[in-house]
Amino acid sequence: DVKVTQSSRYLVKRTGEKVFLECVQDMDHENMFWYRQDPGLGLRLIYFSYDVKMKEKGDIPEGYSVSREKKERFSLILESASTNQTSMYLCAEQGPGGYTFGSGTRLTVV
Amino acid sequence: QKEVEQDPGPLSVPEGAIVSLNCTYSNSAFQYFMWYRQYSRKGPELLMYTYSSGNKEDGRFTAQVDKSSKYISLFIRDSQPSDSATYLCAMTESGTYKYIFGTGTRLKVLA
Repeated sequence: DVKVTQSSRYLVKRTGEKVFLECVQDMDHENMFWYRQDPGLGLRLIYFSYDVKMKEKGDIPEGYSVSREKKERFSLILESASTNQTSMYLCAEQGPGGYTFGSGTRLTVV
Repeated sequence: QKEVEQDPGPLSVPEGAIVSLNCTYSNSAFQYFMWYRQYSRKGPELLMYTYSSGNKEDGRFTAQVDKSSKYISLFIRDSQPSDSATYLCAMTESGTYKYIFGTGTRLKVLA
């Protein structure tokens, strides 16, 4: 089975901090994604990467950037964290059978 | 209007009941349809994956797609308390990476 590992389950950061969320997949799949999930809004795509160093903006990229230096690792960066970025962040990779998600990182910005 | 509509619930049923979860959509180009289950504070996990119209069965779960009505369903037979979770539908067009998700239906199965 595919495994997607997110480095932190819970994070608390201060407003203005730079925040790194890490995601690692154990298959050799090209496509990886970062979503945020909020009550009533569902899953919203932040960024997508289809290969090393390749990325595309999703529906809500403002305030975020990403990095993919190795195929297995996809990082989400909050350049200057704000309280409206408090959310559940989900990483996913795409294989032949669809998306596999990580367990999520619940980020609170205070 | 959202591309994918899903009743948020919560839906409460007694143990052993048959559960029906539904999504409607507006994009007739959608070809692949998925159901994900998400337990509290966890990531979604894939339950069912179907292509185009028809039914697919896996144990107690049946996924049904009616493309003419733009309507998909997930049926759970003999529901168990362990089925209590949020169920997300997702769909996508052929040749694209992007999934469109419903907002999820929260299900509670009462022992």
